[in-house]
Amino acid sequence: EAQVTQNPRYLITVTGKKLTVTCSQNMNHEYMSWYRQDPGLGLRQIYYSMNVEVTDKGDVPEGYKVSRKEKRNFPLILESPSPNQTSLYFCASSLIGNEQFFGPGTRLTVL
Amino acid sequence: ILNVEQSPQSLHVQEGDSTNFTCSFPSSNFYALHWYRWETAKSPEALFVMTLNGDEKKKGRISATLNTKEGYSYLYIKGSQPEDSATYLCAFLGGGTSYGKLTFGQGTILTVHP
Repeated sequence: EAQVTQNPRYLITVTGKKLTVTCSQNMNHEYMSWYRQDPGLGLRQIYYSMNVEVTDKGDVPEGYKVSRKEKRNFPLILESPSPNQTSLYFCASSLIGNEQFFGPGTRLTVL
Repeated sequence: ILNVEQSPQSLHVQEGDSTNFTCSFPSSNFYALHWYRWETAKSPEALFVMTLNGDEKKKGRISATLNTKEGYSYLYIKGSQPEDSATYLCAFLGGGTSYGKLTFGQGTILTVHP
């Protein structure tokens, strides 16, 4: 089944404790992207990647890192999470320029 | 940060009504305009990807038009049903040096009452 998976789905952590949210797709898509969704602010792009070893900043990259060592994986790293990073996070993938396929979302709470 | 605006923010209609929403986006450096449907507790799902000025796309009772010169797109739902209740998102994909950057509007929340 073609899909985008994210793990974990839910995470409660404390300020400053490094965490990684994994994202994997099995559709051989070149393009992958991370978004955060906050009430009243819609979906905002954090980082995107056009292909392996190619990553670019979206509109809200501060406090996040990404890597794209393999085509199928695009992990989101929070080196030192803060409470303002409490949000719902979505990973998505696509052929470049085409419709995005979204993962199920990761709800992160930073205390 | 690019300005992608959707109106109205929310809409309540009766079953059987037809409705439409607007997405405004920059008229320069355009590559594509996406529409997504997002149901509560689910992930967004693509409706349309539109690239050409004057494009019209249709999927069942839902259709969309695109005007890249003036920077707007309309989404139409004919004969709304309760299962159409969702948030409808548009997203602007720019070209040039911003190619790959996808900017979403805040969405239009549609509620269809039986």
